[in-house]
Amino acid sequence: DVKVTQSSRYLVKRTGEKVFLECVQDMDHENMFWYRQDPGLGLRLIYFSYDVKMKEKGDIPEGYSVSREKKERFSLILESASTNQTSMYLCAIKQGASGNTIYFGEGSWLTVV
Amino acid sequence: GQNIDQPTEMTATEGAIVQINCTYQTSGFNGLFWYQQHAGEAPTFLSYNVLDGLEEKGRFSSFLSRSKGYSYLLLKELQMKDSASYLCAGLLRDDKIIFGKGTRLHILP
Repeated sequence: DVKVTQSSRYLVKRTGEKVFLECVQDMDHENMFWYRQDPGLGLRLIYFSYDVKMKEKGDIPEGYSVSREKKERFSLILESASTNQTSMYLCAIKQGASGNTIYFGEGSWLTVV
Repeated sequence: GQNIDQPTEMTATEGAIVQINCTYQTSGFNGLFWYQQHAGEAPTFLSYNVLDGLEEKGRFSSFLSRSKGYSYLLLKELQMKDSASYLCAGLLRDDKIIFGKGTRLHILP
């Protein structure tokens, strides 16, 4: 069974706090993605990574950064959380060029107050 | 630009057939995914189409026409548990994956 584990299921943070969302996979897949999902807006891509230490901006990278120091771990960082970053965050993985399935983590529900 | 469009909501009756359409305008398109998502849960994989044509998997089938930038998901013999959101997503040549906003499907008894 594929395992994509997001470190926190539910978080409540204060405005201005630094927030780390961690995603760990056990499949040795090259590609990892961070999305946020909001009602009426669907899944929007924040950042993705092809390999260790590589990162690419998605469609809404502002206010976020990422880190991929090890192949199995992809972290999403909110340097200074704001209320408009209240959302559900989903991590996903895919085998490199040959992969035809995306696997998702269970999601992290972040509330910024 | 990159855009994936699908209807916001659809309603169908238990036992019937429903077709959920998806159109896309993207540069460098590789293939198209369909995912099912129940409220409060992560999306789960339904299908992936690379070549034109229809792929059938039990009650669910997915169709792709690359020349028309069009796909559909066909659900047969609808069951109440099929009430969910259905997400269309494009895999681009740079391995980026972008999603449509999803179609909420309501099944009536």
